[in-house]
Amino acid sequence: QVRLQESGPGLVKPSETLSLTCAVSGYSISSGSYWGWIRQPPGKGLEWIGTIYHSGSTYFNPSLKSRVTISVDTSKNQFSLNLRSVTAADTAVYYCARVFTVRTYGGQLYYFDYWGQGTLVTVSS
Amino acid sequence: DIQMTQSPSSLSASVGDRVTITCRASQSSSIYLNWYQQKPGKAPNLLIYGASNLQSGVPSRFSGSGSGTDFTLTISSLQPEDFATYYCQQTYTTPWTFGQGTRVEIK
Repeated sequence: QVRLQESGPGLVKPSETLSLTCAVSGYSISSGSYWGWIRQPPGKGLEWIGTIYHSGSTYFNPSLKSRVTISVDTSKNQFSLNLRSVTAADTAVYYCARVFTVRTYGGQLYYFDYWGQGTLVTVSS
Repeated sequence: DIQMTQSPSSLSASVGDRVTITCRASQSSSIYLNWYQQKPGKAPNLLIYGASNLQSGVPSRFSGSGSGTDFTLTISSLQPEDFATYYCQQTYTTPWTFGQGTRVEIK
């Protein structure tokens, strides 16, 4: 059974960096999957932040790209999110997830098949 | 960016009802459309991938259809555990985008 668990500070001050780690168990990150971060402000919908391949290739939401770094540590079987210069608008539940891929006649289909439980990060002084 | 618009935003239904949720993309998403169910305080759970493929372990009362810009999620007979919020998501192009959600409430 694949399990993901987010960890990191629940409170971050404005202008500082939000740092989260997602520990993966039941599956080796180096096996070849993509991994992603998604967030959900309180009472609102879901927003894709970015995705990383096990080799380190990354894809980001343009709305956050200038502030986001995603990295993978295969030796620890985990991947991480850094979001710089945070404001109150970055307050949200942050989820990590595995991205499963299926090759189709037209390309590749991606979907989030396993999710962490989510961690609330509040940006406040 | 491809904008995803779900309708309705919320609905009230009774146990046993047939429920249909619509998701419309601002431009073609081919079949690269997924559906998730989210219950309060929980992470989303994958229901349907590739517009019409049922994820393993998901009850067969859930089904998906559509291609291009118009997609539907159908619950053939609503059960008590189905009261939740449902999201569509396109992964045809980045940025991957979600619909705003449809909340299914008890009538």
